[in-house]
Amino acid sequence: AQSVAQPEDQVNVAEGNPLTVKCTYSVSGNPYLFWYVQYPNRGLQFLLKYITGDNLVKGSYGFEAEFNKSQTSFHLKKPSALVSDSALYFCAVSPVGDDKIIFGKGTRLHILP
Amino acid sequence: DGGITQSPKYLFRKEGQNVTLSCEQNLNHDAMYWYRQDPGQGLRLIYYSQIVNDFQKGDIAEGYSVSREKKESFPLTVTSAQKNPTAFYLCASSMSGGGTDTQYFGPGTRLTVL
Repeated sequence: AQSVAQPEDQVNVAEGNPLTVKCTYSVSGNPYLFWYVQYPNRGLQFLLKYITGDNLVKGSYGFEAEFNKSQTSFHLKKPSALVSDSALYFCAVSPVGDDKIIFGKGTRLHILP
Repeated sequence: DGGITQSPKYLFRKEGQNVTLSCEQNLNHDAMYWYRQDPGQGLRLIYYSQIVNDFQKGDIAEGYSVSREKKESFPLTVTSAQKNPTAFYLCASSMSGGGTDTQYFGPGTRLTVL
């Protein structure tokens, strides 16, 4: 079965420190990968996506993600966390040839002042 | 959330009632989607539509119905057959519905069964 996993329900990071939110996937073929962020009682906002090409993808608000095919991972990173980065983050995968996106269960990121 | 509106923001339903959630987009997107969000479960696809007058079931379509009579509108009806409808409902749209397309989300409707 095709799936995406976010192994951490919650991540706590001190403000100013680097942050990583983990994502691994299991799909046949090469996937398309996405990160979204959700603030309380709001819809999801698109951060970045990997389609092809450079494995390091840069997105909104200083976030970036690295596609690692051998480890089937697409971890979200930011060099210096802000309190305003506190939110719920979703990784998503779309298998090639599929017109649907599979979302992970989400990771709640807390940035501590 | 720009370009996609959902109404109402909060909705309360008595058991046995059907309710309809509105989703409108002005992005000229062909594809539209409905998701259900429950705590700790991520987003689950209810229905999606890639073209007017056509739609497909997602992973949890039972107890829900949709229509796509206009490109910009994709209303979701939660019927009395849906046994546990209390959840946060999100509508999204994308340009063509292909797997590389970014989906853009509305602000959501929180449905509570009384």
